[in-house]
Amino acid sequence: EDQVTQSPEALRLQEGESSSLNCSYTVSGLRGLFWYRQDPGKGPEFLFTLYSAGEEKEKERLKATLTKKESFLHITAPKPEDSATYLCARLTGGGADGLTFGKGTHLIIQP
Amino acid sequence: GAVVSQHPSWVICKSGTSVKIECRSLDFQATTMFWYRQFPKQSLMLMATSNEGSKATYEQGVEKDKFLINHASLTLSTLTVTSAHPEDSSFYICSARVGGIRRYEQYFGPGTRLTVT
Repeated sequence: EDQVTQSPEALRLQEGESSSLNCSYTVSGLRGLFWYRQDPGKGPEFLFTLYSAGEEKEKERLKATLTKKESFLHITAPKPEDSATYLCARLTGGGADGLTFGKGTHLIIQP
Repeated sequence: GAVVSQHPSWVICKSGTSVKIECRSLDFQATTMFWYRQFPKQSLMLMATSNEGSKATYEQGVEKDKFLINHASLTLSTLTVTSAHPEDSSFYICSARVGGIRRYEQYFGPGTRLTVT
């Protein structure tokens, strides 16, 4: 069964304090690793897609990286508006295109 | 670009009645749309994959006769919760895949909060 495990479950940082969120996945047949941001009561907002080990993508204060068994979402000098739940997902197995999500990391940035 | 809308944003219905939720891709055509469900403090769970003009594919444990999905056009998919019960109360979110070579990302709608009394 394809699994996605995120850590930590929750993270509280001071404004400007950089950190990383982790997403580990079952290795077999990875066809894409996705990062989303979800605010309370809203649908997920697409951030990044990573397809192969060594790939990196950046957007403002966020940078996503991928290795052969895990992905990291680095957040540099975060601001309070970066507070949200960050979700990692992979394509489900068997060639289907649905997403299997991790439980997410609830990030709080304190001013 | 890649905007997905849902209607309604919230709905309250009585037990035993049916509710229809619409999902539209506003600025692109989506041959494939997806329906997810999210319970409080849990992550999204895929319910079904909907392809335009064909029957939906349901995930294991999802009752296809209870959750009717229709993908009648390249911009519209609907989810009908039939004979709803309180345990069906949840946050339902649709998504659409833009498509193209190596483009598997999905764009999500804002979600529909269903409460069954």
